[in-house]
Amino acid sequence: DAKTTQPNSMESNEEEPVHLPCNHSTISGTDYIHWYRQLPSQGPEYVIHGLTSNVNNRMASLAIAEDRKSSTLILHRATLRDAAVYYCIQNQAGTALIFGKGTTLSVSS
Amino acid sequence: GAVVSQHPSWVICKSGTSVKIECRSLDFQATTMFWYRQFPKQSLMLMATSNEGSKATYEQGVEKDKFLINHASLTLSTLTVTSAHPEDSSFYICSAQMGVVDSNEQFFGPGTRLTVL
Repeated sequence: DAKTTQPNSMESNEEEPVHLPCNHSTISGTDYIHWYRQLPSQGPEYVIHGLTSNVNNRMASLAIAEDRKSSTLILHRATLRDAAVYYCIQNQAGTALIFGKGTTLSVSS
Repeated sequence: GAVVSQHPSWVICKSGTSVKIECRSLDFQATTMFWYRQFPKQSLMLMATSNEGSKATYEQGVEKDKFLINHASLTLSTLTVTSAHPEDSSFYICSAQMGVVDSNEQFFGPGTRLTVL
């Protein structure tokens, strides 16, 4: 079973920042936090992952709470192409990713 | 990023026939590949973990004799759905993990839509 909890859905306006929350209260010291997103009829797309420190890449930023029991995926300027289901996953390195229900992000123009 | 391909992208078959789906890592070697299936409006469900040169590990409730997995090389894993039935109709997705475990990144294929008539 998935070990993370996320809101079922969120809405955003185009060109505004989006903060997608995730709770992972059972995380262990060696668990990574991954974010993937999926468009309809496509395979999941890697967004970002981290262990303890905040992470930035060209797609997004990942802010990890000090106690690591929660994290937030930040899309700095949402576009219509960012509308997707976003999955937050905690796992041990080298193990399979177990997907929960994710957050469906809607972006309005 | 690394690229994973799947073939075919979609397939329609008659009930009782077998279907083979290929998953390839195009620009890296994958010591481990994973197979998932996804039913409409549901999340991805892990079916099995496939390690190169060894038998796959199946999740509880997944019939290993029905879903045959072969991982013969570091760039190719295949999933064969044997004696397919309409309830096997689903979106099948593979992912591949780079050989360097510390990277912990897994890359997903585009998926294969299977429809069994």
